[in-house]
Amino acid sequence: SQQGEEDPQALSIQEGENATMNCSYKTSINNLQWYRQNSGRGLVHLILIRSNEREKHSGRLRVTLDTSKKSSSLLITASRAADTASYFCAGLSGSARQLTFGSGTQLTVLP
Amino acid sequence: EADIYQTPRYLVIGTGKKITLECSQTMGHDKMYWYQQDPGMELHLIHYSYGVNSTEKGDLSSESTVSRIRTEHFPLTLESARPSHTSQYLCASSADRGDNNEQFFGPGTRLTVL
Repeated sequence: SQQGEEDPQALSIQEGENATMNCSYKTSINNLQWYRQNSGRGLVHLILIRSNEREKHSGRLRVTLDTSKKSSSLLITASRAADTASYFCAGLSGSARQLTFGSGTQLTVLP
Repeated sequence: EADIYQTPRYLVIGTGKKITLECSQTMGHDKMYWYQQDPGMELHLIHYSYGVNSTEKGDLSSESTVSRIRTEHFPLTLESARPSHTSQYLCASSADRGDNNEQFFGPGTRLTVL
């Protein structure tokens, strides 16, 4: 079953603009993670936010988590063409401690 | 760059062939995973392992099998490939300490079954 659903499915912006991607999930989580995937490649971990945290920053990335709404957002500030990729949220939950991935947002940053 | 490797990167093979997708990691991670991903779609967990001699099926039913004889190695085998197995297969590993379950991914194997 799909843990996370991402919105929008695709986003196209100009270089220098900010990009915001949203993720909603269904079950309780221990933490929520964001990953990036370049076309045809494996995923790269970007940032992790724990269930007791509300906001976290890493460089140009800002992640928020609202456990009452079961939602998270990823903000990329001052986007660059190299940020073009698919971005996935993934929730860690359950006694088996598995990550369940959302469907992803395809971000295109135009130069 | 994560120290997790997958071979082959691309494989085109005929129906009925037996194939093994290799995955190895040099980070000493206990937990390893196999995901299946169709183009533009989410990842689906098909197998995972807690450590040597441990294998479990994931959320998505798969006709593939896995083995974990050594910590660093987690191969996936399809006894008889079919066109429905065409997909990208991603291997990952994690140290899974506390509630930090960051996973490190290999580059993937893109499998096409004719």
